Amino acid sequence: DTGVSQDPRHKITKRGQNVTFRCDPISEHNRLYWYRQTLGQGPEFLTYFQNEAQLEKSRLLSDRFSAERPKGSFSTLEIQRTEQGDSAMYLCASSLGLANTGELFFGEGSRLTVL
Amino acid sequence: TQLLEQSPQFLSIQEGENLTVYCNSSSVFSSLQWYRQEPGEGPVLLVTVVTGGEVKKLKRLTFQFGDARKDSSLHITAAQPGDTGLYLCAGAGRAGTALIFGKGTTLSVSS
Repeated sequence: DTGVSQDPRHKITKRGQNVTFRCDPISEHNRLYWYRQTLGQGPEFLTYFQNEAQLEKSRLLSDRFSAERPKGSFSTLEIQRTEQGDSAMYLCASSLGLANTGELFFGEGSRLTVL
Repeated sequence: TQLLEQSPQFLSIQEGENLTVYCNSSSVFSSLQWYRQEPGEGPVLLVTVVTGGEVKKLKRLTFQFGDARKDSSLHITAAQPGDTGLYLCAGAGRAGTALIFGKGTTLSVSS
C-alpha cells in the first residue's frame, strides 16, 4: 500500500501522559499536514510542513503540541500532558506541489482517547 | 480568520431523492474542494473548483463555485445508499496557507 499511513491507529492514555503519533506520507509528496477531527465535525487544521520546514501552525494549537518532520519524509506529532479535551481523531494528509490547491491524500487517522 | 459554513448539518433522505448541500463564507477563496468521508476513513477528494461560476459534474453530483468565489454548492440527483457519508468543503485562501474545512454535512440515504 503506497498511501498515507499513520501509527498507532488507536491510543488510550491517562490524563497527563505524553503521546506521539507518526505519519508516513506518500513518498514523493513534499507537503504534509496534521488535522484534528471530532465525531461528525470537519477536520481542524493544526500544522503543515513543506519538506522539513514547518510553514504554518494554527493559533489554536497550544504549546503542549509539537510536530516535526526532520528529514522531509515522515512526521511525528507529540502531545504533552494530555487533557480529556485532546480526545479526537488526528489525521495526517500529504500533497504534491507548492500550491495550496492540490489534492490532499489522507491517512486513516490515529484515534486518541484520554481518560 | 477564514471560515466555511456548511448547511444543512444533517440530512436524512430516501433513495431517489435529490438534495443540495451549501458551503458559504464571507471570505474569497482561490479554490474550493469537496471531500467525502466514510466512517473510519480519511476524507477523499471529489472535486476542485477554481474559477468563479464554474460548474463541474461527476456522474450524479453537480458542483458549483459562486461567481464571487465565496460560496459553493453540491447537488446530488437521485441519491443512493452508497452516497451516505460526511461531505466536507475545504477552501484554499492566500498562497502558502493550508486548506481549511467546513464542519461538514452528514448525509444518510436509506433504501
